[in-house]
Amino acid sequence: AQSVTQPDIHITVSEGASLELRCNYSYGATPYLFWYVQSPGQGLQLLLKYFSGDTLVQGIKGFEAEFKRSQSSFNLRKPSVHWSDAAEYFCAVGGGGATNKLIFGTGTLLAVQP
Amino acid sequence: NAGVMQNPRHLVRRRGQEARLRCSPMKGHSHVYWYRQLPEEGLKFMVYLQKENIIDESGMPKERFSAEFPKEGPSILRIQQVVRGDSAAYFCASSPPSARAYNEQFFGPGTRLTVL
Repeated sequence: AQSVTQPDIHITVSEGASLELRCNYSYGATPYLFWYVQSPGQGLQLLLKYFSGDTLVQGIKGFEAEFKRSQSSFNLRKPSVHWSDAAEYFCAVGGGGATNKLIFGTGTLLAVQP
Repeated sequence: NAGVMQNPRHLVRRRGQEARLRCSPMKGHSHVYWYRQLPEEGLKFMVYLQKENIIDESGMPKERFSAEFPKEGPSILRIQQVVRGDSAAYFCASSPPSARAYNEQFFGPGTRLTVL
């Protein structure tokens, strides 16, 4: 069965520092991978997505992610974090088959220190 | 082009009452998904609907929960005889008519249900 693991429940970084959020997936075929961000009390906004091609994907707000098939990973990175990046980040994999359902990880809550 | 609309944003019900959550997809989108987010958990898929059809309800609890997406009007997620364990945020997402796995799903702001 498809699954997504985000091993870090909570991360704190200093403003201006680099960031990497980990995501590992389990999927039988070529996965469709997504990163979403959720601000408190809000819905989810898509940061970036990977379907095929270049394994380094650029997204909005200065985020990027790299698909590594050998490691079953799709880690999210940002070179310099801003205070406004504090939010919860969810990695998801497309379920495939007859349905488009997304399978989400449990999320990583990012806190940014001044 | 308005985004996905959900109402109400907050809903309080007493145990045993019914909860009705509404979702209007983005213009031109004919696929709707419902997800549930329990406190401190990720989103869990509940149901996938197209107009007048339930395509995948593998994530729906077997009892008390139902969903519809009529030809006209919003999609409705209905929870009968609510219990405290139903307290959660319920998110709706929509995607365009081409139902391929790489279609982005656009999420609404969610309905936060509290059962007293």
